[in-house]
Amino acid sequence: AQKITQTQPGMFVQEKEAVTLDCTYDTSDQSYGLFWYKQPSSGEMIFLIYQGSYDEQNATEGRYSLNFQKARKSANLVISASQLGDSAMYFCAMREGPPIYGGYNKLIFGAGTRLAVHP
Amino acid sequence: GAVVSQHPSRVICKSGTSVKIECRSLDFQATTMFWYRQFPKQSLMLMATSNEGSKATYEQGVEKDKFLINHASLTLSTLTVTSAHPEDSSFYICSLGQTNTEAFFGQGTRLTVV
Repeated sequence: AQKITQTQPGMFVQEKEAVTLDCTYDTSDQSYGLFWYKQPSSGEMIFLIYQGSYDEQNATEGRYSLNFQKARKSANLVISASQLGDSAMYFCAMREGPPIYGGYNKLIFGAGTRLAVHP
Repeated sequence: GAVVSQHPSRVICKSGTSVKIECRSLDFQATTMFWYRQFPKQSLMLMATSNEGSKATYEQGVEKDKFLINHASLTLSTLTVTSAHPEDSSFYICSLGQTNTEAFFGQGTRLTVV
């Protein structure tokens, strides 16, 4: 079974509007972490936002916010005020189990959503 | 600034030759690094976990003898694609996670085997 599901292979949005990228996950762990990464055409992975399973508040980082609904096992990314530079692939990822300091963030990735921002 | 440096960014090699990709941790002592592979228009798939001073742990279906991983120091892990074939052409990317909220990635290496 898929651990991370991103059901939108492609999305488009008008510049300056908000867009939501969907992500659902499956785990039996009580402690886990959810990540969103942006991958432009250059290939680099750019960290956007993190949500821990025990975090009560939804994570926010500038124009990015994570709509975390634990009971539904969803962690949707909301990008507000879209910019042309936001056009890229977006990956949702999960770390199962609690974090271990010292380099043990093995991640499971979803299939990704390609976002196109139109002027 | 960059936390992880990966080289080369692009490499083209002939079929049958070997290619070495380096992943350096710039700011941290990384006991563990991860190697991922990404085919065009697909997601990142974990290949192996690189452990400093010990053998790497490979994911199911990944050939150990083909993808040699060496993690001889706390700042360097290398992935060697041995006897490369065109089907090995892919984007390879390493990562290390030094905090509990972020995994740092290298810039990636685009390998083309001709």
